[in-house]
Amino acid sequence: SQTIHQWPATLVQPVGSPLSLECTVEGTSNPNLYWYRQAAGRGLQLLFYSVGIGQISSEVPQNLSASRPQDRQFILSSKKLLLSDSGFYLCAWKWGYEQFFGPGTRLTVL
Amino acid sequence: GIQVEQSPPDLILQEGANSTLRCNFSDSVNNLQWFHQNPWGQLINLFYIPSGTKQNGRLSATTVATERYSLLYISSSQTTDSGVYFCAVDVLDTDKLIFGTGTRLQVFP
Repeated sequence: SQTIHQWPATLVQPVGSPLSLECTVEGTSNPNLYWYRQAAGRGLQLLFYSVGIGQISSEVPQNLSASRPQDRQFILSSKKLLLSDSGFYLCAWKWGYEQFFGPGTRLTVL
Repeated sequence: GIQVEQSPPDLILQEGANSTLRCNFSDSVNNLQWFHQNPWGQLINLFYIPSGTKQNGRLSATTVATERYSLLYISSSQTTDSGVYFCAVDVLDTDKLIFGTGTRLQVFP
């Protein structure tokens, strides 16, 4: 069966520090992968999606970037975090017509 | 872009009550999914329902694509049903999910 992993689960970082969040999928090959962000008390916003290795589409201009170095690995990065980058970050993959979500990473920027 | 609105924004129920959650979308969509976000943040897939009606236990969903809405029914609610319910639509030919504003449900014993 397919599973999706995200780490870390929680993260507290100072403003101006770098960021790297990792997402990996097991049990499938060449999945579409997605990064979403959820601000406190709000809905999810699509940040990036990828249909293959090295193929990244950005949805919202921002302080973040994404990379897909391997088929089942999706990484969200920042060189310098801002206070506004705080939120709940979720990775998702698509199987058939449905998207399935990982457990998320809760990021607090202080 | 497409707008996805959910109502009501908040809902408070006593255990055993029934409820209907609504999702309206402003344009044609490929697909529609309903999710439950539990208090720990995990998004749980409830239904993939681009049209028609589906049932899973105490939950059922109906989508009328021609009228651009979907309904989620929760019967005999339980405290474990608490959380936020989202609908999300897949915009035609873009393979992206646009999430609604969510309905926060609280079920009390």
